[in-house]
Amino acid sequence: KAGVTQTPRYLIKTRGQQVTLSCSPISGHRSVSWYQQTPGQGLQFLFEYFSETQRNKGNFPGRFSGRQFSNSRSEMNVSTLELGDSALYLCASRPTGHPMNTEAFFGQGTRLTVV
Amino acid sequence: AQSVTQPDIHITVSEGASLELRCNYSYGATPYLFWYVQSPGQGLQLLLKYFSGDTLVQGIKGFEAEFKRSQSSFNLRKPSVHWSDAAEYFCAVGGNEKLTFGTGTRLTIIP
Repeated sequence: KAGVTQTPRYLIKTRGQQVTLSCSPISGHRSVSWYQQTPGQGLQFLFEYFSETQRNKGNFPGRFSGRQFSNSRSEMNVSTLELGDSALYLCASRPTGHPMNTEAFFGQGTRLTVV
Repeated sequence: AQSVTQPDIHITVSEGASLELRCNYSYGATPYLFWYVQSPGQGLQLLLKYFSGDTLVQGIKGFEAEFKRSQSSFNLRKPSVHWSDAAEYFCAVGGNEKLTFGTGTRLTIIP
């Protein structure tokens, strides 16, 4: 069974640009969550999607957005990039049902560098 | 609000020695608790989880953790570490569709 796939693995962007990251969850998983990991702030929750609906959102500015498609694949978008957006962005998928009593499987992440 | 504290930023142990990584949490109800491990440049791998029942939970790679409600703790232990255990370890508490992570403990193993 394939794991969570995130593309691309590495990305370099310039300040002011926008970027789209992709996450393909494990087959059959309907919940996808996104996390930002930085040395200073650690792992922080961005948002969670279930059946194409955003169920929860972390404390990030509106420049960060996401969506989920009918096949459960998810994308997150960051507009007007800032240097502080440089981070490892991790995606996690869960099967379904109550979100917390099932294991979250993480992808390897997308390393975004903003220059 | 839920929160997790990992008081040890960096721990160094000798190969073969025992290990205990500390984790304290704050959560308003019965918590769902997790330990994840991250190797450099990699994503997170679940070591073990606690949802309910037996307070001593066994995980992969020989790890175990004990849930102590009175101390709001969920410490991770391993009787004998291997060089391959060198990594960063994260404790997390779950609720409301999201995980809240601690700041992590970096584990270094010396021969």
